[in-house]
Amino acid sequence: EVQLLESGGGLVQPGGSLRLSCAASTFNFRTYAMSWVRQAPGKGLEWVSSIRGSRDPTYYADSVKGRFTISRDNSKNTLYLQMNSLRAEDTAVYYCAATNYDFWSGPGDWGQGTLVSVSS
Amino acid sequence: DIQMTQSPSTLSASIGDRVTVTCRASQSINSWLAWFQQKPGKAPKVLIFDASNLESGVPSRFSASGSGTEFTLTISSLQPDDFATYYCQQYHSYPWTFGQGTKVEMK
Repeated sequence: EVQLLESGGGLVQPGGSLRLSCAASTFNFRTYAMSWVRQAPGKGLEWVSSIRGSRDPTYYADSVKGRFTISRDNSKNTLYLQMNSLRAEDTAVYYCAATNYDFWSGPGDWGQGTLVSVSS
Repeated sequence: DIQMTQSPSTLSASIGDRVTVTCRASQSINSWLAWFQQKPGKAPKVLIFDASNLESGVPSRFSASGSGTEFTLTISSLQPDDFATYYCQQYHSYPWTFGQGTKVEMK
């Protein structure tokens, strides 16, 4: 099991930028694929983006493609989500999730989430 | 994209009831399906992976079955801690997609 801690959320104006971080407490972080999943207030879960352990390839939901960039620094055990051109509909709790392919291919471990609010 | 459709959206049940939630995929996802439980203000918690495998530490009253396009999650005897929202999720291919959720509430 890996412990995940998100940070970087906050209030930002429409059109603004924000970078989320997710620190992982595991010595073999580079072996995990990582993802971001979000949840708008009172709504369901929406997958945002994923990245393999070696950083390539990356995958994005159509709703964020061209605006968000997922990346990772395996030397720091940290996942990032750079969010540009933010819109009101990006308001959500953003969770990072880890996939350990030794067990199964989906998001097995989750962080507690960080809230992003996009409003003027 | 693969669409995931859960039913019902809301389920009213009593302690001890047998509860079943259904999830349908718009195309075959083999057994690449997970079930999550989520309580208000908390992160989702995985209950089941690969359609029918119980995650370590999850009570045995939870079970699941299915493959291809039809899947079910069953709680054999509903307990107070089980009132929550349940989501199915396919990880057969990107974009990963979730069902819209089933809220299990007290009757």
